[in-house]
Amino acid sequence: GEDVEQSLFLSVREGDSSVINCTYTDSSSTYLYWYKQEPGAGLQLLTYIFSNMDMKQDQRLTVLLNKKDKHLSLRIADTQTGDSAIYFCAEAGGFNKFYFGSGTKLNVKP
Amino acid sequence: GAVVSQHPSRVICKSGTSVKIECRSLDFQATTMFWYRQFPKQSLMLMATSNEGSKATYEQGVEKDKFLINHASLTLSTLTVTSAHPEDSSFYICSARVLAGGLSTDTQYFGPGTRLTVL
Repeated sequence: GEDVEQSLFLSVREGDSSVINCTYTDSSSTYLYWYKQEPGAGLQLLTYIFSNMDMKQDQRLTVLLNKKDKHLSLRIADTQTGDSAIYFCAEAGGFNKFYFGSGTKLNVKP
Repeated sequence: GAVVSQHPSRVICKSGTSVKIECRSLDFQATTMFWYRQFPKQSLMLMATSNEGSKATYEQGVEKDKFLINHASLTLSTLTVTSAHPEDSSFYICSARVLAGGLSTDTQYFGPGTRLTVL
């Protein structure tokens, strides 16, 4: 099946930018997604990008897509302590199944 | 829009009993819902795809007689864990695919999850 990989941990200081990276294998994916999961909660859709786009910006969030390298990144500007959570990237496969990365735990230090 | 609810949020049961978890799309219709299982500090594992009016499609390794899925309407899917055992303890999350109405049809919206603990 599709393989989506992320680094497990990222630690930044409050006010800095965070960059979470993801690589995927299915070049036919139409959409790629970023979800946020806070402790004990479900997944919250943060943003998504269509595969024919290189970049999408939404307030503090910037998504970059390098389709050639199958690399997706999420940049969070001015990271706040409330941004501490696990971030999952996902690609939509056949029959709209989603394939998730392992999640990156973002720790924001005050 | 695109709110998905789950009930209950937390359940503790004795080994051997059955537990039903409900997943509802509150403000949209979903022809397709998905059930995931998440182990501590791990990613989501897709268990099955639930289609309204038809049988669920289970992923490899998931016992369909153990995890019964019913998608009775366009807004409700249920997962019943039958004869639960401690190894079934986990965080179960559902998601719903949007049918139509101005939202992307290739997006899944997730419920808040149900924490199941089997004693």
